Formats: sequence, C-alpha cells, structure tokens
Amino acid sequence: GQSLEQPSEVTAVEGAIVQINCTYQTSGFYGLSWYQQHDGGAPTFLSYNALDGLEETGRFSSFLSRSDSYGYLLLQELQMKDSASYFCAVSLTGYSTLTFGKGTMLLVSP
Amino acid sequence: EAGVVQSPRYKIIEKKQPVAFWCNPISGHNTLYWYLQNLGQGPELLIRYENEEAVDDSQLPKDRFSAERLKGVDSTLKIQPAELGDSAVYLCASSLDRANTEAFFGQGTRLTVV
Repeated sequence: GQSLEQPSEVTAVEGAIVQINCTYQTSGFYGLSWYQQHDGGAPTFLSYNALDGLEETGRFSSFLSRSDSYGYLLLQELQMKDSASYFCAVSLTGYSTLTFGKGTMLLVSP
Repeated sequence: EAGVVQSPRYKIIEKKQPVAFWCNPISGHNTLYWYLQNLGQGPELLIRYENEEAVDDSQLPKDRFSAERLKGVDSTLKIQPAELGDSAVYLCASSLDRANTEAFFGQGTRLTVV
C-alpha cells in the first residue's frame, strides 16, 4: 500500500511564504501531485512532479526528491484566498489513480 | 468548457434506503474516478473507469455499492442499502486518459444518512 504524511495545519500571515511538506512510502512511485481544496469546493490541480527538482507556477512552486521520498509545496506572497486545504497525492507507474494524503489546512491571517 | 458535473449536490436519506449519484465528466476524458471524502480527510478511490471498463474497483464495498459507466461517458454510483457510516462527500473526477496526471474534480455530492 501507500502512505503519505503531511502536517495537519499550517498558519501564516498575508504576504509571507509557507512550505507544506509531504513524505511518502510507496512502491512503483511515478509522480507527486498537489491539489487545493477550499471548504465545500472541488479539489483543483496545482502542480505535478515526476522528476527531482523544483517546478514553478506563478506564486506556487513544488519540489520533489525521489531519493528521499519527499516533496513540498511552496506558496509565496500569501493571500487570504490561499486559505484552503492542500493535498499531496502520489501516482504509481502505469496508473493515473491518485492516492491522497490527509491534507494540510492552511490558514492565512491579515 | 464545462467541468465535471455532479448531481445532486446534497442528499439526505434514512438508513437502509437506496441512493444514486450521477456524474458527467469533461467531454473527451476517457478516465473517470469516483472518490469518497470524509470530513478532514483526503479523497479515497472507490472505482476507476477506462472508457466503460472498471479497471480498479478494489476499494469499492461491493456488497452495497455499485457503479456503471454506460457508453463510456456518464457514470452512476449507487448505494443500497445506505448505512450511517456512508455519510461523506462523493467526488467524481475525470482525466484525459490513464497516462494523464491531472484530474479534474466535480463539486461532489454531500450525502447525509440519518
């Protein structure tokens, strides 16, 4: 089976930078994805890493280290609208099914 | 382009009653998923379809849950009979194909069993 660990909650202030970590244990690892979900809303795709290194998309960046089974999501210039739950998810070789972590609730305060 | 559409948005039923959820994926998306999400948890896969074929249903409680995807487009998830523990959000998602890494989710159906 697969298991993912991420912090349950992170707090930060507007304009700050926050990093949400994710460690995973799985066989047949293919890639790590990040999804954002506002309360009552649908999970929406943020980023995907299959290779080691940093992927940058606007204010959001995602990092992967396959050797350490570790990744993180970096959110810069935080805004109030970034308050949401963030999920890391692994996909396995040959399959598109995502296995999600329990999520990290990010609370951004003024 | 329309996203993944699910209905109903909310459903309240008494235990032991049947319930059905409907999903219309993004046009052209061959892969369709049903996930279950409990409060404060991440989505958990129930079943994955490639076109009309269920290729991963190992987590689907087959004694009470069933699903179908006729003609490889719309899908229906059914619970019969529902139990109190089935109260959760049922999410449908689709992706272009099995190799595609981005899944598009619907708003979900929030089921409450009383």
